[in-house]
Amino acid sequence: KAGVTQTPRYLIKTRGQQVTLSCSPISGHRSVSWYQQTPGQGLQFLFEYFSETQRNKGNFPGRFSGRQFSNSRSEMNVSTLELGDSALYLCASRQDYTDTQYFGPGTRLTVL
Amino acid sequence: QKEVEQNSGPLSVPEGAIASLNCTYSDRVSQSFFWYRQYSGKSPELIMSIYSNGDKEDGRFTAQLNKASQYVSLLIRDSQPSDSATYLCAVTRGYQKVTFGTGTKLQVIP
Repeated sequence: KAGVTQTPRYLIKTRGQQVTLSCSPISGHRSVSWYQQTPGQGLQFLFEYFSETQRNKGNFPGRFSGRQFSNSRSEMNVSTLELGDSALYLCASRQDYTDTQYFGPGTRLTVL
Repeated sequence: QKEVEQNSGPLSVPEGAIASLNCTYSDRVSQSFFWYRQYSGKSPELIMSIYSNGDKEDGRFTAQLNKASQYVSLLIRDSQPSDSATYLCAVTRGYQKVTFGTGTKLQVIP
């Protein structure tokens, strides 16, 4: 099976702009989670989607939002970018009724 | 108190030695425990999962879980330079969100 894919792999934006990241889970996986990873804070949970519904949410401001489509692909949007949003954004998928996650390669976002 | 705590390291061990990585968690009803390995610039890769007290072995890796002490560890036997990476401990309860530690950086010295 193909693994989790994320696009784009690298992004450079300026403050105030918005960005959309995409994640395609492993075939058959309906759960998609998003994480932000920074050197100082480690891996922090953003949100999880399951069957097009947000199931869990982390402690991030409303500028961070997501959605999931009927084919389980998910997008994450960050509006009004701030310098502190520079990070590696990781997507992970898992099978129903399991808690083992498989990560994609990540999107490296740099905000200038 | 952080939900999942790990010593950030770096933990340096000579090639061939046993590396011992530790993790403590605060939620007593946590059910599932994972160790991920992350090479610099790469995404986390699952190496072990453990659900019940005791030891679980997979090749050179052994995960140890003690729920009474809220402690999970990872032992790497015969450490190799290719084991040099950051090791992330992750904890979850049911199908709730997974909480990660900040990771321990392991350096295996040839």
